[in-house]
Amino acid sequence: DIQMTQSPSSLSASVGDRVTITCRASQSISNYLNWYQQKPGKAPKLLIYAASNLQTGVPSRFSGSGSGTDFTLTISSLQPEDFATYYCQQSYSTSWTFGQGTKVEIK
Amino acid sequence: QVQLVQSGAEVKKPGASVKVSCKASTYTFTGYYMHWVRQAPGQGLEWMGWINPNSGGTNYAQKFQGRVTMTRDTSITTAYMELSRLRSDDTAVYYCARAKSSGILYWGQGTLVTVSS
Repeated sequence: DIQMTQSPSSLSASVGDRVTITCRASQSISNYLNWYQQKPGKAPKLLIYAASNLQTGVPSRFSGSGSGTDFTLTISSLQPEDFATYYCQQSYSTSWTFGQGTKVEIK
Repeated sequence: QVQLVQSGAEVKKPGASVKVSCKASTYTFTGYYMHWVRQAPGQGLEWMGWINPNSGGTNYAQKFQGRVTMTRDTSITTAYMELSRLRSDDTAVYYCARAKSSGILYWGQGTLVTVSS
């Protein structure tokens, strides 16, 4: 299986900060990389698909980049509603895998 | 709007099996793979596998091979996930989910399965 490794596992940031989360795949996955946001007690929400495409309805402060093995999710100006856990997920292989998650907390 | 409605919470003893259902509506059931994802308390998301509702073909994560069975009934647009030989670390919320493009856009409400003696 393709392993997905996110960093950091958690971070503390303030409203208005620029936040970057990275995701590394154990082998090349082209651009088959998606990003999700999850809040406590809720199902995950798709933010970015195919590495850099913003899902309809997601604020433009979210962006994704990368290809091959290294990917980045950026929140350009952190808002109060963005405090949550973020997951990357690969769909390159027939067996999908998620990263372990990055918890974004209030500083 | 796509709807995925799952069966209710379950409590099972170690060694037992559990079968979770996922009723799909407002889209063509046979047109999209159904995925199953679980999340243990306080832990991350874990992909379990998918079923092709059209053919019945399946693909399971290696970790669950031999313990998980995914099936479907196209007449009632419902997918099922059965996990056998339950252990305490199978306690989790189980989600059915449908992808759009390469990402999962639609999720069921989740089914809590508690394994306890």
